[in-house]
Amino acid sequence: DAKTTQPPSMDCAEGRAANLPCNHSTISGNEYVYWYRQIHSQGPQYIIHGLKNNETNEMASLIITEDRKSSTLILPHATLRDTAVYYCIVPQGGSARQLTFGSGTQLTVLP
Amino acid sequence: GAVVSQHPSWVICKSGTSVKIECRSLDFQATTMFWYRQFPKQSLMLMATSNEGSKATYEQGVEKDKFLINHASLTLSTLTVTSAHPEDSSFYICSAAPTLTETQYFGPGTRLLVL
Repeated sequence: DAKTTQPPSMDCAEGRAANLPCNHSTISGNEYVYWYRQIHSQGPQYIIHGLKNNETNEMASLIITEDRKSSTLILPHATLRDTAVYYCIVPQGGSARQLTFGSGTQLTVLP
Repeated sequence: GAVVSQHPSWVICKSGTSVKIECRSLDFQATTMFWYRQFPKQSLMLMATSNEGSKATYEQGVEKDKFLINHASLTLSTLTVTSAHPEDSSFYICSAAPTLTETQYFGPGTRLLVL
């Protein structure tokens, strides 16, 4: 998988937008950016993925820069239940079938 | 849709016994499932790839005779930890992707404690 870099931790106030950055400067043209999160003691949860266009679903928005070397996951109105470790993953060769998890970003939503 | 379940959710066993963990895709078929292991305060590490109807492939450093994987149907993969020891205590998680998609969905995990 292409190497990704994420800040180890972030805080966000409840009700505010949480913006989680990810650098993936070695990404190839056919490789997607996937975001997962892991709430304590649970399995990872799929959030969103994208190739080059910005994406939005019921959980979050994904903004990918034009050069595709970085992306930002946006949780528009963070709640306490969004406290989790967020992983940005770029599977090798464009296939998500095998995922390599880095350290991720611990997001703490504060009341 | 795309729900993956695991059973049991937690298990405590004595050293030397074997433990079987089931991973099921509830609403889709999956020819491939993946098994991960996660130690406290660490990230997920891929252990093996489970292939329906054929042998599993194991990551470097994972003993295939200790972690037996069976993928007998398109909705079920099992991981058996044989002769478990305290160092095998961990959080075991499986994942699967619906056919024709690439997005992996994860089970809730099984916490194993070997005494």
